[in-house]
Amino acid sequence: EVQLVESGGGLVQPGRSLRLSCAASGFSFDDYAMHWVRQAPGKGLEWVSDVSRNSDRIGYADSVKGRFTISRDNAKNSLYLQMNSLTAEDTALYYCAKGSVGVSGPVDYWGQGTLVTVSS
Amino acid sequence: QPVLTQSSSASASLGSSVKLTCTLSSGHSRYIIAWHQQQPGKAPRYFMMVEGSGGYNKGSGVPDRFSGSSSGADRYLTISNLQSEDEADYYCETWDSNTRVFGGGTKLTVL
Repeated sequence: EVQLVESGGGLVQPGRSLRLSCAASGFSFDDYAMHWVRQAPGKGLEWVSDVSRNSDRIGYADSVKGRFTISRDNAKNSLYLQMNSLTAEDTALYYCAKGSVGVSGPVDYWGQGTLVTVSS
Repeated sequence: QPVLTQSSSASASLGSSVKLTCTLSSGHSRYIIAWHQQQPGKAPRYFMMVEGSGGYNKGSGVPDRFSGSSSGADRYLTISNLQSEDEADYYCETWDSNTRVFGGGTKLTVL
């Protein structure tokens, strides 16, 4: 059974940093692209970033480019999101999601999410 | 980059059928999309992929009542024999080499 467990969320002041983690199990982690998707309170889904299976291709939404950094450790079956210069607009539930074998293809499994609140 | 347009809400009666629409922006009508269901208070769940040809491929455990289809730039999710647990938000997703986008979501109410 595919499991994705996010951690690292919390309350953080504007301008500060936070690092999210996602522990994956139940599939061959190093065979698949991985994604971060967020959902602001009461709003829809917004893709944040993705990373290919061997990290040779990384993508970011314009809204986070230059501030967020995605990474993965295939030896630890883990995905990360380093978030710097946080603003109130980054307040959201952050989901770790499993992608497809290639870079193209849908998200096909979702974690339960970790909540990030940016407020003074 | 592609843009996905969805109606904000839809409603149908218990036991009836409903067809949700996701429309691809101009120049992207051949794109594959995916449908995701998000029940209240829960994480999203992948439901199916729908191709421009109309073919679709469902995720694990998705009931037979759910099907996909396509016409031009429109991609559809049809739910037959509506159940109370189908009341949820439904999002479509697509991607290209540079980005990935979600539609704004359709809130389905089962009457």
